[in-house]
Amino acid sequence: NAGVTQTPKFQVLKTGQSMTLQCAQDMNHNSMYWYRQDPGMGLRLIYYSASEGTTDKGEVPNGYNVSRLNKREFSLRLESAAPSQTSVYFCASSRRTAVEPQHFGDGTRLSIL
Amino acid sequence: GQQLNQSPQSMFIQEGEDVSMNCTSSSIFNTWLWYKQDPGEGPVLLIALYKAGELTSNGRLTAQFGITRKDSFLNISASIPSDVGIYFCAGQLPDSNYQLIWGAGTKLIIKP
Repeated sequence: NAGVTQTPKFQVLKTGQSMTLQCAQDMNHNSMYWYRQDPGMGLRLIYYSASEGTTDKGEVPNGYNVSRLNKREFSLRLESAAPSQTSVYFCASSRRTAVEPQHFGDGTRLSIL
Repeated sequence: GQQLNQSPQSMFIQEGEDVSMNCTSSSIFNTWLWYKQDPGEGPVLLIALYKAGELTSNGRLTAQFGITRKDSFLNISASIPSDVGIYFCAGQLPDSNYQLIWGAGTKLIIKP
């Protein structure tokens, strides 16, 4: 049982490049989330999807786009990467709301030069 | 934006000691959650608290939802090496089912 799978695990980009972070869950969860984690700070919500076909902005959505491709998959896209987007990105899923246990992937470590 | 103050930032303890950490906020929360993150992994839920005054245990871990709804604490009794990691509190504001406010974490280190 894989849980939440994120790809890639590591990535280095140059400023201005684009890329998509992939996330898939196999727990039949309705809700999925993208967070970023920066040193000395708590997790910050970028975007979330409460159900298949819906997406909503979180606390720090600027510079990102998301797609809820189907119930299993939720991708995060950086259209034009900036050094300020250097971070560890976590995808999570939960059965319904955020206060139910969120299951996290192992993260994508992204560096933008 | 909203903030949680989590303290201490880090703790150096001896194996077998008890540990206490807490989170405070200027806002009222409906739910308090405590997560643990091991190196190279995502956070894992330890305890969820849904009512003011609620005291909940999970093995050697005990957490409480403050009466004012603006704070919560986590205690770990008789620490063991696998307790090492970063502990995060997270709170749910009354007007959101999908957004949590996260503390900056307490890093627990066990002295050799």
